[in-house]
Amino acid sequence: AQSVAQPEDQVNVAEGNPLTVKCTYSVSGNPYLFWYVQYPNRGLQFLLKYITGDNLVKGSYGFEAEFNKSQTSFHLKKPSALVSDSALYFCAVRRNTGGFKTIFGAGTRLFVKA
Amino acid sequence: DTGVSQDPRHKITKRGQNVTFRCDPISEHNRLYWYRQTLGQGPEFLTYFQNEAQLEKSRLLSDRFSAERPKGSFSTLEIQRTEQGDSAMYLCASSSGAGTERGEQYFGPGTRLTVT
Repeated sequence: AQSVAQPEDQVNVAEGNPLTVKCTYSVSGNPYLFWYVQYPNRGLQFLLKYITGDNLVKGSYGFEAEFNKSQTSFHLKKPSALVSDSALYFCAVRRNTGGFKTIFGAGTRLFVKA
Repeated sequence: DTGVSQDPRHKITKRGQNVTFRCDPISEHNRLYWYRQTLGQGPEFLTYFQNEAQLEKSRLLSDRFSAERPKGSFSTLEIQRTEQGDSAMYLCASSSGAGTERGEQYFGPGTRLTVT
């Protein structure tokens, strides 16, 4: 069975500081991993994904994430946080074969303080 | 193309009534997904289609839920004999499955259902 854990309900960071939003996953076989962001009163937006290849993937708005197979993690990072990054972030996983069922984590609220 | 659209955006119904939601995906996308999201939780997978074929359905989905995608374009999600526990945001997403867009889903704004 697939599962995703986002251990932090909320992450607080000061503007200009680096941020990390944690995600660990469980899936049989090799994973496809995703980060999505949800701004207030707006729909979920795709941020970045890991399919294959380089473990460090770069996405929109200066975000990046590192795939770590041994730790089954896919943490989201940004070198310098902006107040406008404040939003709800979801990690998601699916298997790379045998179907497209995607499992989402419960979400982590990022609050960036000016 | 303006993205994934859903109709209605809000629906209030009385317990026991049937409701139907519509999703129009991005036109060139052959995969379509339905999710349910409650407050404080991530989207919960309900079902997905590849073209008109419904390929997977969550075991959590009771027989009161049914989804169709008759011509491989728009999709409908029907809930029969609604219960208060069905109150949630129902999200639709579509994906291409090809090329550089492989795997990523594009979400609609959702339909918020309130069962009174």
